[in-house]
Amino acid sequence: AQSVTQLDSQVPVFEEAPVELRCNYSSSVSVYLFWYVQYPNQGLQLLLKYLSGSTLVKGINGFEAEFNKSQTSFHLRKPSVHISDTAEYFCAVVGGTSYGKLTFGQGTILTVHP
Amino acid sequence: DTGVSQNPRHKITKRGQNVTFRCDPISEHNRLYWYRQTLGQGPEFLTYFQNEAQLEKSRLLSDRFSAERPKGSFSTLEIQRTEQGDSAMYLCASSLRGGAGEQYFGPGTRLTVT
Repeated sequence: AQSVTQLDSQVPVFEEAPVELRCNYSSSVSVYLFWYVQYPNQGLQLLLKYLSGSTLVKGINGFEAEFNKSQTSFHLRKPSVHISDTAEYFCAVVGGTSYGKLTFGQGTILTVHP
Repeated sequence: DTGVSQNPRHKITKRGQNVTFRCDPISEHNRLYWYRQTLGQGPEFLTYFQNEAQLEKSRLLSDRFSAERPKGSFSTLEIQRTEQGDSAMYLCASSLRGGAGEQYFGPGTRLTVT
């Protein structure tokens, strides 16, 4: 079984500042890792995913994440945030041998202030 | 690609009533997932279909819950004898393949049990 812990429930930041949203996971098998974003009253949208290969993954809207196997982390970063990045962000994991059942973290609410 | 659609978007019901939600996945996707999201939490897996076969049900899914995907296209999720604890957002997702395959989420159905 897998589990995901998002270390910050809320992250306030000013516009154009950098941001990091932290995610740790645990699993007894190899995993695939995902970050999803959820805007108010909408479904989840995939930001980026790590399957294999390069540990630095780039996604949409200028986001990137780094997979660190030794620390079992998959932190999400953006060098300069915009007001429009205000949303809830979810880290998720899929067991490598599973059919794709996602296990999500509790979510981090990112609020970008002008 | 018209995306994943869910109906209704909102449902208010009295305790003890039955409710049914519908999910229409992306047409060529043979995998369909249901998740439940309560306030302040990440989505939790409920059940999974590959074509018309329901291959896994979470232990979260009590006997009052049933899901079908009769022709491998749309799916329905029924909750019988609703309880206040069933109040949540019910999310549907579909994908073309399992494992690392990207899941596309619908906007969700928000259920309120009074």
